[in-house]
Amino acid sequence: KAGVTQTPRYLIKTRGQQVTLSCSPISGHRSVSWYQQTPGQGLQFLFEYFSETQRNKGNFPGRFSGRQFSNSRSEMNVSTLELGDSALYLCASSLALAGTTGETQYFGPGTRLLVL
Amino acid sequence: AQKVTQAQTEISVVEKEDVTLDCVYETRDTTYYLFWYKQPPSGELVFLIRRNSFDEQNEISGRYSWNFQKSTSSFNFTITASQVVDSAVYFCALSEYTNAGKSTFGDGTTLTVKP
Repeated sequence: KAGVTQTPRYLIKTRGQQVTLSCSPISGHRSVSWYQQTPGQGLQFLFEYFSETQRNKGNFPGRFSGRQFSNSRSEMNVSTLELGDSALYLCASSLALAGTTGETQYFGPGTRLLVL
Repeated sequence: AQKVTQAQTEISVVEKEDVTLDCVYETRDTTYYLFWYKQPPSGELVFLIRRNSFDEQNEISGRYSWNFQKSTSSFNFTITASQVVDSAVYFCALSEYTNAGKSTFGDGTTLTVKP
């Protein structure tokens, strides 16, 4: 079974631009979560989507948004990029509904974004 | 609010040594999940183990073992007879039992195993 895939793997943007990152979960997985990883702040939760609905949201400004499609693929968008948005963005997918069998998240390789 | 503390920022050992990575967590929930992940230089987080708060049994998988002690809110990870391939950043994470899609991560421990 193919793992979580993320595109693109690397991206360079300039301040003020906007960017869209894509995540394809493992087949059959319905939940997709996004995390930002930076040397200073570590791994921080951005948001989670389940069945095309945002189920959880972390403490990030409104410039960070996401969506999920009917095939469970997810995109996240960052508008008006700032230098501090430079990070590794990780996507994770999981199978079960929370509170049932418990969820193990499987992570993709990440998209490394550099904002100049 | 949940919090995970990995006090060891970096650990360096020589191959074949045993090494323990510490993880201490804080949560108000009575039920929750704990995880360990490995992040090699490639960047992808590799799932190692999940433990729910009901199960305090220690677990062993090959050279890896985990010690969960609810009384001290710790979930420590031991690698026996370390190998160079074990060099990576290791993260401990915590999630709510009914909200497992949102995890709180520790800052990670960078393990370097020297030949």
